[in-house]
Amino acid sequence: DTEVTQTPKHLVMGMTNKKSLKCEQHMGHRAMYWYKQKAKKPPELMFVYSYEKLSINESVPSRFSPECPNSSLLNLHLHALQPEDSALYLCASSQEPSWETQYFGPGTRLLVL
Amino acid sequence: QKEVEQNSGPLSVPEGAIASLNCTYSDRGSQSFFWYRQYSGKSPELIMFIYSNGDKEDGRFTAQLNKASQYVSLLIRDSQPSDSATYLCAVQGNAGKSTFGDGTTLTVKP
Repeated sequence: DTEVTQTPKHLVMGMTNKKSLKCEQHMGHRAMYWYKQKAKKPPELMFVYSYEKLSINESVPSRFSPECPNSSLLNLHLHALQPEDSALYLCASSQEPSWETQYFGPGTRLLVL
Repeated sequence: QKEVEQNSGPLSVPEGAIASLNCTYSDRGSQSFFWYRQYSGKSPELIMFIYSNGDKEDGRFTAQLNKASQYVSLLIRDSQPSDSATYLCAVQGNAGKSTFGDGTTLTVKP
């Protein structure tokens, strides 16, 4: 089973709202990732968690706040977003935080009004 | 120069033909290479991964890697209309940091 789940599938929020995206995997993977993908562009890495610790932050604005409560869960807390933050947010996981295969979830399509 | 470059599309092939997708990368320290397929509005789906020089075959798909030339390709044999999608090349170094190419959009015409 190589399933990564994400909720919600769609999210519409105002610029003053606070919301959270959730990602879950039960494959025993020790690395989890957040990507952002704009239309007709490739996924861009935002954050990497390795053994529940943040190992890579690709200079993401502080209005995006990741959290890894346990080895199966990854959250992305959103606050004071801008319309240009509207995108598909993808979660992925891999066995180890190295060169191994990353498996993607279905994504959350976010619209910021 | 982009870190990962893919041949510009769109690429159109007739049904049953071979589709050839190419990717070059700049970081010689890259260790693993992936091809993902992405349908419009969906998340990337892993098609192939390759770590060693040479060819790797899986059904109608063949990935080829040449680390000396910093080149990786994907061949799709007997292309089907259902193969029509954007194909993303991803190159991964240490610590799980993946860099994606811009993608090549493939259309297979019946």
